[in-house]
Amino acid sequence: NAGVTQTPKFQVLKTGQSMTLQCAQDMNHNSMYWYRQDPGMGLRLIYYSASEGTTDKGEVPNGYNVSRLNKREFSLRLESAAPSQTSVYFCASRKTWDLNTEAFFGQGTRLTVV
Amino acid sequence: KNQVEQSPQSLIILEGKNCTLQCNYTVSPFSNLRWYKQDTGRGPVSLTIMTFSENTKSNGRYTATLDADTKQSSLHITASQLSDSASYICVVSLITGTASKLTFGTGTRLQVTL
Repeated sequence: NAGVTQTPKFQVLKTGQSMTLQCAQDMNHNSMYWYRQDPGMGLRLIYYSASEGTTDKGEVPNGYNVSRLNKREFSLRLESAAPSQTSVYFCASRKTWDLNTEAFFGQGTRLTVV
Repeated sequence: KNQVEQSPQSLIILEGKNCTLQCNYTVSPFSNLRWYKQDTGRGPVSLTIMTFSENTKSNGRYTATLDADTKQSSLHITASQLSDSASYICVVSLITGTASKLTFGTGTRLQVTL
């Protein structure tokens, strides 16, 4: 049981380049999330998908887009990377939208934009 | 000012010793409070969850307490082990109208040494 799998684990981009971070979960969870983690700050929500077929903005959505490809997969796209997007990105999933249920996190993608 | 403040920012203790990590929050009303453990290079993993009506919850050597009146929580680690070296993150679930929102603390980095 892999849980939540993110690819890639590390990435270096040049300013202006685009890339897609992939996330897949095998727990049949309905809700999926993308967070970023920066030094000295708590995790911040970028986008979320409460259920298959829906996506919504979180706290810091600017510069990102998402796709809920199916129930298992939720991707995050940077169309034109900027140095301010240097961060560690975490995908998470939860069985339901209810925040009393536990969230399971992937191992993260460390992205550096130069 | 972050709505979830954790202290200390970092802590070094000897193996076998106990320690207590603090979390003060200002978010209100809240639904639940979780403590997560995040190993270096990994995603956060849930340790405990408490609703506003609970004041203590244990998970092995980890015991979390909650004082909803003073808006404080603590995580006590007993007989620390080298594997306890990690960041510990306090997360408060805030109820906002019909939606819910997670607010993450910045974490306490714990190092357990020989």
